[in-house]
Amino acid sequence: GNSVTQMEGPVTLSEEAFLTINCTYTATGYPSLFWYVQYPGEGLQLLLKATKADDKGSNKGFEATYRKETTSFHLEKGSVQVSDSAVYFCALSESPGGYNKLIFGAGTRLAVHP
Amino acid sequence: DTAVSQTPKYLVTQMGNDKSIKCEQNLGHDTMYWYKQDSKKFLKIMFSYNNKELIINETVPNRFSPKSPDKAHLNLHINSLELGDSAVYFCASSQEGSIEAFFGQGTRLTVV
Repeated sequence: GNSVTQMEGPVTLSEEAFLTINCTYTATGYPSLFWYVQYPGEGLQLLLKATKADDKGSNKGFEATYRKETTSFHLEKGSVQVSDSAVYFCALSESPGGYNKLIFGAGTRLAVHP
Repeated sequence: DTAVSQTPKYLVTQMGNDKSIKCEQNLGHDTMYWYKQDSKKFLKIMFSYNNKELIINETVPNRFSPKSPDKAHLNLHINSLELGDSAVYFCASSQEGSIEAFFGQGTRLTVV
């Protein structure tokens, strides 16, 4: 079945450092891809998405490009802030019977220090 | 206004009890979901309802019974709670045909 693999955390960075969180997927067809973020004590929020190959999703300084050839959707940010500390989930959408469901990776915890 | 709201936010209960978690969405969406996040933060879908009909059931024990009285509500009832049921349960909703899901704040269930 479809699956998502993320780099294990925690990822610890200093403020203003460059961030990459790797995400690869296995899927039949061409699913939509997502990054969700979970801040401490809060629910999941959609960070960005991409629906087809070569699409770039971006939001709040974060970017990810849908790479069909490498089946990847790596999350990047040029300069992280302490407020970016959270757990980041890569996910794909599959549609059994025409209804969407999300398949999540294991999550990567990011800790940013001043 | 909260788009997807769950109650309660925290629930501590003893093994063997029966409990319910409620979810409501005010987005006018047709489809609602329950996801479970275990202690290692791993998220997995449990159920999905579309217009009050069950469309996804991901091999969840029969002790878990979702109920959708209308398309804006999807409640989760759990019978005979076990220690392994301790987790954070997230409700979500989406518009039929849309790939984007909106999540609630989660309910942290602790079974002691």
